[in-house]
Amino acid sequence: AQSVTQPDIHITVSEGASLELRCNYSYGATPYLFWYVQSPGQGLQLLLKYFSGDTLVQGIKGFEAEFKRSQSSFNLRKPSVHWSDAAEYFCAVAFKAAGNKLTFGGGTRVLVKP
Amino acid sequence: DVKVTQSSRYLVKRTGEKVFLECVQDMDHENMFWYRQDPGLGLRLIYFSYDVKMKEKGDIPEGYSVSREKKERFSLILESASTNQTSMYLCASPPGTGGPDTQYFGPGTRLTVL
Repeated sequence: AQSVTQPDIHITVSEGASLELRCNYSYGATPYLFWYVQSPGQGLQLLLKYFSGDTLVQGIKGFEAEFKRSQSSFNLRKPSVHWSDAAEYFCAVAFKAAGNKLTFGGGTRVLVKP
Repeated sequence: DVKVTQSSRYLVKRTGEKVFLECVQDMDHENMFWYRQDPGLGLRLIYFSYDVKMKEKGDIPEGYSVSREKKERFSLILESASTNQTSMYLCASPPGTGGPDTQYFGPGTRLTVL
């Protein structure tokens, strides 16, 4: 069965510093990859997605992610964090062979220090 | 703009009660999903539907059922609520009918079962 691991449960970063959130998936086939963000009291919003093509994808709010097939990873990055980036971030993966169902990671909560 | 609404933001029920959670989308999408969100576990798929009167079990369907009588409405039913069903419930709807696609999420219903 497919699974998604986000190794960091919490990350604290200073405003203006860079941020990287890790995501690893298991399964053998070509994945479809997503990053969602959930701000406090809000629903989930899509940040970016990767289906094919360029392995570096740009998203909203200045985020980007890189798909590395050899490492089964899809890490999310932002060069300079803003206080409004404090939220919970979820990585998700789908596989055509698994009926395109989304499987989510456990989430990483990001705290931003002033 | 895409809109997924859920009938309640907060709900408190007693053990053994029958609970209905309603989700409505105004996008004429065929696909609708119900997830539960728990700390450290991310989102887990309970049930989904690809069409009216059609339903499929997700990863954790035990203790739940669903109803989809109209295209825009997808109901999650807890036949006899238990304390371990205390959770955040999220409804989602992607536009596609084939491959994976962006899921549009509702704001969530936080259910507490006493």
